[in-house]
This record gives sequence, C-alpha cells and structure tokens, in this order.
Amino acid sequence: EAAVTQSPRNKVAVTGGKVTLSCNQTNNHNNMYWYRQDTGHGLRLIHYSYGAGSTEKGDIPDGYKASRPSQENFSLILELATPSQTSVYFCASAGTGANTEVFFGKGTRLTVV
Amino acid sequence: GEQVEQLPSILRVQEGSSASINCTYENSASNYFPWYKQEPGENPKLIIDIRSNMERKQTQGLIVLLDKKAKRFSLHITDTQPGDSAMYFCAAAYQGGRALIFGTGTTVSVSP
Repeated sequence: EAAVTQSPRNKVAVTGGKVTLSCNQTNNHNNMYWYRQDTGHGLRLIHYSYGAGSTEKGDIPDGYKASRPSQENFSLILELATPSQTSVYFCASAGTGANTEVFFGKGTRLTVV
Repeated sequence: GEQVEQLPSILRVQEGSSASINCTYENSASNYFPWYKQEPGENPKLIIDIRSNMERKQTQGLIVLLDKKAKRFSLHITDTQPGDSAMYFCAAAYQGGRALIFGTGTTVSVSP
C-alpha cells in the first residue's frame, strides 16, 4: 500500500510562531496535497503540488505556504501561527490526474495556543 | 469553489440494518466519486469508488449508486456491524481537475 508519512504527529505552537509540517511519500506519486480537517467542514484543500518545484493554492490557502523540494517531500508552512489554525492536517498523495486514488498520511494534530 | 454536499452529518443505526449516505455535486464534468472511511484517530482510507460510466457498483457489503442527471451519488452499507462505525466522506473529481473535493462527512454509529 502507498506510504505517506507525516511529521510531527502532534505539535503545540505559540501564536505568532513558525510551524513546519512535513510529509514524505515513497510511491513516486506526482500529486501531493495538504488538507485540514475540522468538525463540520470535512477535509478542505489548502495547497497542492503536481511535482517537484510546483505548488498551487487550494481552497483555503490564506496563512499557509507550501514547499515541494523533491518528488518525495511536501511541506506546509505556517509563518505566523494563529489559534484559528488549530486543526488536524492531512498530507496525501496520488498519481497523475484528480480521478485516481488518494492516499493519506496519519495526520498531524496542531494546537496553537 | 466547487462544493460537495453530504447528508446526514450523523447517522445512528441498529446492527444488521442498512445505512445510507447521500452526496450531491455541482460540476457536471465530475467523473470520479470515491468514498473514504475514517476510523477515530486514523487517516481516511478508500473503501469504494465509482466512475461516471457506471450507475451502480457493489463490493462486499457496500453499494454505490450514481445519478448523473441529478448530480447525486450515494453509499449504502448493508447489514451494518459495529465495525462499520466511523466517519465516512464522499468526494468528487473530474479529469483535469486539481484535487478531490470532499463532503463534510457523516458519522455513522452502529449500535447492537
């Protein structure tokens, strides 16, 4: 099965601090995604990437940056964390095209205090 | 942006009965409709999907129906068991689209 590994799994950050969430996939998938999950909102797309060097804005990109330095790695960066960014973040990967199976990591629970 | 609406948000059923979740989508170009199951503390996992060239798909105790005219698709869990208790997400995508668009999720609770 496709492997997507996120780190850290849990993080407590202070308001105004910088947070970096990391994701690694070993499936040679071109597409990678960052979603956040909140009660009542489901999974919302923050940023995504079609391959190394590319990042694209999703539906809720404000307050987030992304970086895809290689095929395997995709990071989500919160330059100035705010309490509203407290959430569970999922990284995912998929082969080419939006209509292929998406494989999710185990998630990162981020609390901003 | 495009939306996928999912209802109900909470579904409580008796063991052995059926559970049904309904989703509607906006983009008529959508052609791929997966369903994901998420157990507490775990990541979402694909359980069944259907493409626009089909109207019905069944695997084990799961049935998915697609009505392209109404832009509606549904998941039916037959003979529910306690292990079916989880959060379920529907999603939609179209060729050339950027990513799956997820519904808001349904918490299914199966009681003995």
